[in-house]
This record gives sequence, structure tokens and C-alpha cells, in this order.
Amino acid sequence: DGGITQSPKYLFRKEGQNVTLSCEQNLNHDAMYWYRQDPGQGLRLIYYSQIVNDFQKGDIAEGYSVSREKKESFPLTVTSAQKNPTAFYLCASSRGYQETQYFGPGTRLLVL
Amino acid sequence: GDSVTQMEGPVTLSEEAFLTINCTYTATGYPSLFWYVQYPGEGLQLLLKATKADDKGSNKGFEATYRKETTSFHLEKGSVQVSDSAVYFCALSEASGYSTLTFGKGTMLLVSP
Repeated sequence: DGGITQSPKYLFRKEGQNVTLSCEQNLNHDAMYWYRQDPGQGLRLIYYSQIVNDFQKGDIAEGYSVSREKKESFPLTVTSAQKNPTAFYLCASSRGYQETQYFGPGTRLLVL
Repeated sequence: GDSVTQMEGPVTLSEEAFLTINCTYTATGYPSLFWYVQYPGEGLQLLLKATKADDKGSNKGFEATYRKETTSFHLEKGSVQVSDSAVYFCALSEASGYSTLTFGKGTMLLVSP
């Protein structure tokens, strides 16, 4: 079955530590996205990538970094510069940029 | 900029009741409109969409009509089930310029037996 996988389901970060969230898709989609969800809030865009080896900042990119070396993978690193990282992180993909987005199951990041 | 406004929740209903969740939007162009559903602890699932004015999206008994004159995309279902309990997000995507999804804050639906 085609779909989007995110791992791990839960992730714990210590103060000053960088952590990386995985997102993989086997839908052959060109575009991929990372969103952050906080309780009672809508989703906010962190980064997006329209094609391999290209990505752009979203609305809240500070403290995050991404890479897009393969079409099927779009990992997100939460750096120590992100002072409030506790949130639910959702990865999405779409066949093309501005087309319908499909979401993975999410990763919940907690700070120890 | 673009924005989406949803009615605040939670919306609490008894099983088999009629559901309406209001959604209005502000956009500069002609956006596509979406409803996504999120079950507890899970990602978002696309529920339905409409890409132009007067289009009706429908799926699993849910419907929403793209009303350009009132800039609305209200979600309706004739008879809700306990399994419909979830958070529902309205979203828009513009076809030009910097364009990804703009989400509303979500509306929680709780259906009791």
C-alpha cells in the first residue's frame, strides 16, 4: 500500500540536543511538507519542498532544518535553537506543488 | 493574507443528529477548499474537497458546498455516528503565488450514544 510513514511515533529531546524526525513516502509525490500542530491550534507550515534538492522556509522555520536528497524522503531536524519544540509534527506530500496534500501519522516531540 | 475561520468547539451531539460545522475563508484569488479529519493521536485524513465555486464535495455521508458569494464551505452530515468523533479542519489552497494549505484552528466533534 502506498502511503506516508513517520518515525518515531514519540521522540524525547534533552535540552541543547538536536533531534531528527523521519518522513518517507512511496506515493511518487514530488512535493513534501512539514507542519507543526500545537493544542487548540491549526497547523503551521515549517518547511516545504517542491522537488528534490530544493526546499523553502514556511511560516515558522526558525530553529528547524530540512534536507531533500531523495524524492521519497524529507527529514526534519529540530535544533537546539528551537526553544519551544514540544508539539505534534506532521509530514505531508502531494503529487505536485499546490495539489491535494496527504498526511502521515505524525510524531509527538517532548522535551525532557 | 489568506485565512480560515471555523466555529469553536467542542460540538456535542447525540448519535443520529444532524451536523453542521461552519467554515468561512478570506482569500485573494480562487482557492481550492478542503475538509480534513483528525482522529485522536493520528495524522490528518482528507475528507472532501472542492476546487471551484458551487462544487459540492462529498465522502462518507459528509458534504460541503463551495459558496463563493458567502465565502463559505460548511461541513454537514445528516446523521452522525459515535465513530465520527474527531477534530475537523477546514483549509484552503490558493492556485497562485506562495501557496500551501492555510488551516482553520479545528473543531472538535463529540458524538454520544
